[in-house]
Amino acid sequence: GDSVTQMEGPVTLSEEAFLTINCTYTATGYPSLFWYVQYPGEGLQLLLKATKADDKGSNKGFEATYRKETTSFHLEKGSVQVSDSAVYFCALISPSNTGKLIFGQGTTLQVKP
Amino acid sequence: KAGVTQTPRYLIKTRGQQVTLSCSPISGHRSVSWYQQTPGQGLQFLFEYFSETQRNKGNFPGRFSGRQFSNSRSEMNVSTLELGDSALYLCASSPPGTSTDTQYFGPGTRLTVL
Repeated sequence: GDSVTQMEGPVTLSEEAFLTINCTYTATGYPSLFWYVQYPGEGLQLLLKATKADDKGSNKGFEATYRKETTSFHLEKGSVQVSDSAVYFCALISPSNTGKLIFGQGTTLQVKP
Repeated sequence: KAGVTQTPRYLIKTRGQQVTLSCSPISGHRSVSWYQQTPGQGLQFLFEYFSETQRNKGNFPGRFSGRQFSNSRSEMNVSTLELGDSALYLCASSPPGTSTDTQYFGPGTRLTVL
């Protein structure tokens, strides 16, 4: 079945460091891919998405490119801030699996001043 | 536009009781999905409703059920609560369109079973 694998955390960075969180997926067909972020005590917020191969999603300085050849959707940010500290989830949804997001296990990011 | 709202935000129940959680989607959204989030299992899909019909279901026991009303509001019910049902329950709504549309999440209901 479909699945998403994220790099294990926690990831600890200093402010202004470069961030990469790896995400790979297994899916039949052509899923849409998402990154969601969760702050303590809150629900999930959509960070960015990509719906087809080679699409780049971007938002708030974060970027991810849909790579079908490597089945990856790695999240990057050039310069992280303390306010980026949160849990990040990679997810996919397949056309054959209506309404069902499949999530990775989440990666905790801690940014220190 | 108002976001997805969930009520109540917090609930404490005891084993054997039942509970009903409510979700109001973003105006105009007709699809509502429910998820359970626990530290051990992560985020797991419960079910999805569209136009009052359950279109998809995850691998949860029959104690977990849901429904959707004509105004797209949705409820989920858990009967005969177990300690392991303690979790954050999230609902998400999607705009009309394809089955892979973006889902927008509510703040969740934190259920504690004692």
